[in-house]
Amino acid sequence: GAGVSQSPRYKVAKRGQDVALRCDPISGHVSLFWYQQALGQGPEFLTYFQNEAQLDKSGLPSDRFFAERPEGSVSTLKIQRTQQEDSAVYLCASSSQVMRRDEQFFGPGTRLTVL
Amino acid sequence: GNSVTQMEGPVTLSEEAFLTINCTYTATGYPSLFWYVQYPGEGLQLLLKATKADDKGSNKGFEATYRKETTSFHLEKGSVQVSDSAVYFCASSGNTGKLIFGQGTTLQVKP
Repeated sequence: GAGVSQSPRYKVAKRGQDVALRCDPISGHVSLFWYQQALGQGPEFLTYFQNEAQLDKSGLPSDRFFAERPEGSVSTLKIQRTQQEDSAVYLCASSSQVMRRDEQFFGPGTRLTVL
Repeated sequence: GNSVTQMEGPVTLSEEAFLTINCTYTATGYPSLFWYVQYPGEGLQLLLKATKADDKGSNKGFEATYRKETTSFHLEKGSVQVSDSAVYFCASSGNTGKLIFGQGTTLQVKP
């Protein structure tokens, strides 16, 4: 079956532009996570959805970052007025249950470069 | 808050050498612990996991034991191969199941 997919794979934006990053989780997966991975670092948590409900957005770095999952499947991470420090790989992951012990399946990521 | 610390890389080994990558964690409660691997040009993949103290996770010849007394989850392999060259991430589960990652350790295995 298909894994987690993300689009676009690469995005170049000029400083100040808005961007939207898409995540298609594994079909039927309840939980969806977004992470930000800076160059040479481990991924850092941004936000978590259980179905369509955003239960944790404590990792979003500023109010320029917004995420949604309106129908409990596809999710979009939006970054408004991009800044150079937003340059990173944005990873999406999904898991089948809500318990902490479940494996998260990661997508290939979207590499965002802000010029 | 919860955090994960792993040894800095890069780690360079010859083929068939013994591998240890150290990982320690701080957490409230009893998190699950994971090792993820990122091969060149690929996404993050789960390598192994352990969900409670004294559990041993194992996969592809890699092992790690959940040590509550030392808050550690060190990754080991008895004989590495060139194909094991990758970046390895230790992680713990936080509230709501989110993962807290270490900074990653690059492993280079030379023939």
